[in-house]
This record gives sequence, structure tokens and C-alpha cells, in this order.
Amino acid sequence: DGGITQSPKYLFRKEGQNVTLSCEQNLNHDAMYWYRQDPGQGLRLIYYSQIVNDFQKGDIAEGYSVSREKKESFPLTVTSAQKNPTAFYLCASSQGATDTQYFGPGTRLTVL
Amino acid sequence: AQSVTQLDSHVSVSEGTPVLLRCNYSSSYSPSLFWYVQHPNKGLQLLLKYTSAATLVKGINGFEAEFKKSETSFHLTKPSAHMSDAAEYFCVVISDSGGYNKLIFGAGTRLAVHP
Repeated sequence: DGGITQSPKYLFRKEGQNVTLSCEQNLNHDAMYWYRQDPGQGLRLIYYSQIVNDFQKGDIAEGYSVSREKKESFPLTVTSAQKNPTAFYLCASSQGATDTQYFGPGTRLTVL
Repeated sequence: AQSVTQLDSHVSVSEGTPVLLRCNYSSSYSPSLFWYVQHPNKGLQLLLKYTSAATLVKGINGFEAEFKKSETSFHLTKPSAHMSDAAEYFCVVISDSGGYNKLIFGAGTRLAVHP
């Protein structure tokens, strides 16, 4: 099946720890995105990548980092510098940067 | 700048009755608009999209939306609600931002369907 997978589904982290969220797609899409969703709000863009080995900051990049070493993978690291990391994180991909975005199932991160 | 406003944070309907979820947009040019649905603890699924072709757009699961430029609206409708339609719905406008499609999300409308 083609699609976008995110792992793990639920993640718990202690304060002060970095944690990495996985996003993989087998759709052969060039562009990938990370969004954050907080209760009662729409999604906000953290980082995006239009092509391998390139990525750009979105609206709320502070405290996050990404890499795009392979076309199918776009991992997100939530660093200890992120002041309020508890949220639902969604990864998306699109064929090109101006094409429709399709979303993965999400990872719920809770900081204890 | 592009933006969307979803006029209702919660909508409650009875099964078998019509659904109306309201969305107004602001855009300096002819916009591309989407509706996505999110079931609890799930990712977003594309319901339908408007890209300046027909003003009445049909989507999946019996949903449709009508683009009305004069009213700057893109309301989502369905003639008869089903229990499985209970979810959160997001209206989204595209902002052309440096060569990629930046999605601008509304705050969402939570749809409840009662038996």
C-alpha cells in the first residue's frame, strides 16, 4: 500500500530530552512537511522540504530540527529548547511543492 | 495575506439531516481552497478541493462545497448526515509562499452526529 507512516503513534518524553519523530512515505513525493496541532486549533507549519538535502523553516521552527537525507524520509527532532512540545505532530507530503498535500496518521507527543 | 475563518467551532446534527459547515476566506487573488476531515487521533484526509474550475465541487463520502466569490465563502454541505461523519473539519486556503503551497488552516469545526 502506498502512503505515509509516522512512528511512534504515542511518545512520552521527560523534560530536557531530545526526541525524534519518524515520517516515511512511499509515494515518491518530492515535498514533505511537518505540522503541529494543538487542541482547538488548526495546523501550524514547522518545517518543509521541497527536495532531498534541502529544507526550510516554517512558521514555528524554533526548538525543532529536521533532516532530509533520503527522498522517502523526513524525521523531526523536538529539542529541549522547545518550550511547550506537548502536541499532536502531523507529517505530510506532496508530489511537488505546489501539489495537494497528503497527511500521515500523526504522533502524539507528551512531555512529562 | 490569505486567511480562512470557520464560523462555527461546533455543529450538532441528527443522523439523516443535512450538514452545513461554514467557511469564509480572504484572498487577494483567486484562491485554491480545500476541506480536510480529521477523525479522533488520526491524520487529515482530503475531502475536496477547489482550484478555479467548477464552482460546485464534489468530494468523497457525499460531501460537496460551493465556491461563492461574491460572498467569499466555501461552505461544506452534505444532504444527509451519517454517524461516521462525526469528526473535525478544516477549511484550508493556499498561500503561494516562495514557490510552494503553504496551507493556511481554519481553526476547525467539530461535527457531532446524534442518532
